[in-house]
This record gives sequence, structure tokens and C-alpha cells, in this order.
Amino acid sequence: DAGITQSPRYKITETGRQVTLMCHQTWSHSYMFWYRQDLGHGLRLIYYSAAADITDKGEVPDGYVVSRSKTENFPLTLESATRSQTSVYFCASSEATVRMNGYTFGSGTRLTVV
Amino acid sequence: QQPVQSPQAVILREGEDAVINCSSSKALYSVHWYRQKHGEAPVFLMILLKGGEQKGHEKISASFNEKKQQSSLYLTASQLSYSGTYFCGTHENTGGFKTIFGAGTRLFVKA
Repeated sequence: DAGITQSPRYKITETGRQVTLMCHQTWSHSYMFWYRQDLGHGLRLIYYSAAADITDKGEVPDGYVVSRSKTENFPLTLESATRSQTSVYFCASSEATVRMNGYTFGSGTRLTVV
Repeated sequence: QQPVQSPQAVILREGEDAVINCSSSKALYSVHWYRQKHGEAPVFLMILLKGGEQKGHEKISASFNEKKQQSSLYLTASQLSYSGTYFCGTHENTGGFKTIFGAGTRLFVKA
């Protein structure tokens, strides 16, 4: 199916464990983004990528790692999960002229760290 | 830097109008608007580029005043389906291609 998909939809993990959230898009969009959404904070940018092998930090990158070996995939890894990383995570993608185009968001991953 | 949205929340009766404001302390290249229904992903509504343009989407329109670094979203004759949280996202002139979102405005339309 065309679009942007995130997996898993829900995840419960323990403090200190490593967890990876997956994001896959079928449009060959150049730009991909990871946001976290917490009540009262809106959407905060974690990491973003302009193309394969090009990534950069956003507003709240600490504790997260990303990679982009292929244009269509942009996984987000929590190296050692903490309770403060309990959140809803959204992946998004956009065409090359991102400043003139909106984002398409995935359905989100609800992560709970216990 | 995160743009400031106001109001934080608004309750309307069906058919009433509302305005949601988005203000930045930075010079902006563009402003995006999104709507998010509860439990769903944000959905793109429109983008406004510097130049003071105004755009419309059904009965929802927006304006962008680049000199004031402000944008406003206008919801006219609101419908029940307009309920949700509205986010503005801003691109700074020097900010490359990342969008920074405001904290959101929760809109509830009742019959």
C-alpha cells in the first residue's frame, strides 16, 4: 500500500531496554522527520533527514538515535529507554520542496516505558 | 523556537466562527496549519508562504503577516467535524527545512 507506515502501533517496554520504532514511506520523499507528542507540548522534533545518510538533530534529540540507509526507511532507536520517553511518536515525510509543501504523518506509535 | 498559539482552547456552537492565532519571535518563510482528531495523526490543511497571502480550504482560511511574524486560521460557520486540535508549524527564514510546531489549540464544536 502506498503511504507512510509506522510500526508497532503500540509498545510497552521496560526502563533501560533498547527499542526501535520503524517508519517506512513509499513515495520516495526526500525528507523524513520524527516528532514526539506530549500533552501541553504539541509536536516536538527529535531528528530529521534530508536524504539517505543525511540526518540532523531537532529540538529534543537526547536519548535517541536515527539512521537512514535507504530513502524509504527512517527508524528511531531509544538506546536505553526512560520513563520520560513515554509518548506518542509520529513519523512524517515531505517532498523535496518541503518549505512549500506540508507533511504527511504516519499513524503514530504509542510507547509506554515502565 | 516554538511558535505561540492562542487561544489554548475554544468551545463553539455549530455555525459559529473562530480565529486561531500563531505568533513567532523569528522571521518566517512559511506557516503550515494542521488539524488532528483525537487518536489520529495530524492532517495537513494548508501552507502560507511569505508575501502576505491568504488561502482557503472549504470554510477554513488563513492569513500570514510576515512583518508581524503572525498567522491566523479562520474557521467560518463551524461544523461538528471541525472539532480537534489545530497546530501551526513554522519555517524560519534561516531554519532550513524543519517545521517547528506550536503547542496546539483545542477546538470543540457542539450541536
